[in-house]
Amino acid sequence: SQKIEQNSEALNIQEGKTATLTCNYTNYSPAYLQWYRQDPGRGPVFLLLIRENEKEKRKERLKVTFDTTLKQSLFHITASQPADSATYLCALDSDYGGSQGNLIFGKGTKLSVKP
Amino acid sequence: DGGITQSPKYLFRKEGQNVTLSCEQNLNHDAMYWYRQDPGQGLRLIYYSQIVNDFQKGDIAEGYSVSREKKESFPLTVTSAQKNPTAFYLCASSIGGGGRPTYNEQFFGPGTRLTVL
Repeated sequence: SQKIEQNSEALNIQEGKTATLTCNYTNYSPAYLQWYRQDPGRGPVFLLLIRENEKEKRKERLKVTFDTTLKQSLFHITASQPADSATYLCALDSDYGGSQGNLIFGKGTKLSVKP
Repeated sequence: DGGITQSPKYLFRKEGQNVTLSCEQNLNHDAMYWYRQDPGQGLRLIYYSQIVNDFQKGDIAEGYSVSREKKESFPLTVTSAQKNPTAFYLCASSIGGGGRPTYNEQFFGPGTRLTVL
C-alpha cells in the first residue's frame, strides 16, 4: 500500500525566510498530490494541487514541486510571515491511478515563523 | 454562504453509548468523507460516499456507521463497538463526478472533538 512521509514534525524559521517542507512517498507515483494547511482545532484548508505531469505549481508566495524520480514533493513558502505558522499536510491519491478519488494524508509538518 | 458544517463542536460520550456526529454541506458536492485525527497521526479515512445512497468503508470503519440519504448530509455514528473513540472527527466533501471520482480538492468542516468519559 502507499505510504507517505513528511520528514519533519516541526520546522522553525525566521520571518522573511523561505520555508521548505518535504513530502515523500514510498510506492507507486500518485496521479496527483495536494497540500493543505491546518490551524489548531480546525479543519484543513486546501492550498495547492499538482498533477503527475507537472513539475512545478505556484500560487502567490507558495510553490510546489513534484519529482516522480525522487518520489518527493517540496512545498515552499517564500517571504514567510508569522501568520504562516500552522501545520501543513501533504496528501495524495490512496490507490494506483487514483481511481477511487480518495486521499491518504501525511502526519503533517508544524511550521513556526518567528518575528 | 456556502460551506460544510459539523455539529456539535464538542461531544462527550459515556462508555457503551452510541453517538451521532452531524455533517452538512451546501456546496452541491457529490462526494463526502469522514476522517479521524489523533495527536501525532495523519487523517485516517473512516467512510466515504461518492454519490447519494451509496457509501464505502475506509481504512478504519470498524465501530462506525454512516448513511447518505440526502446529497447534503452524511452523518457518522460512533457505536459502542468502537474501542477508542476519543479523537477529532473531520467531515469533508469534494465535487466528485456523480459517482465517478475526480481529482478534486476536499473541503473540510470545522471538526467535532469527541471525548469518552
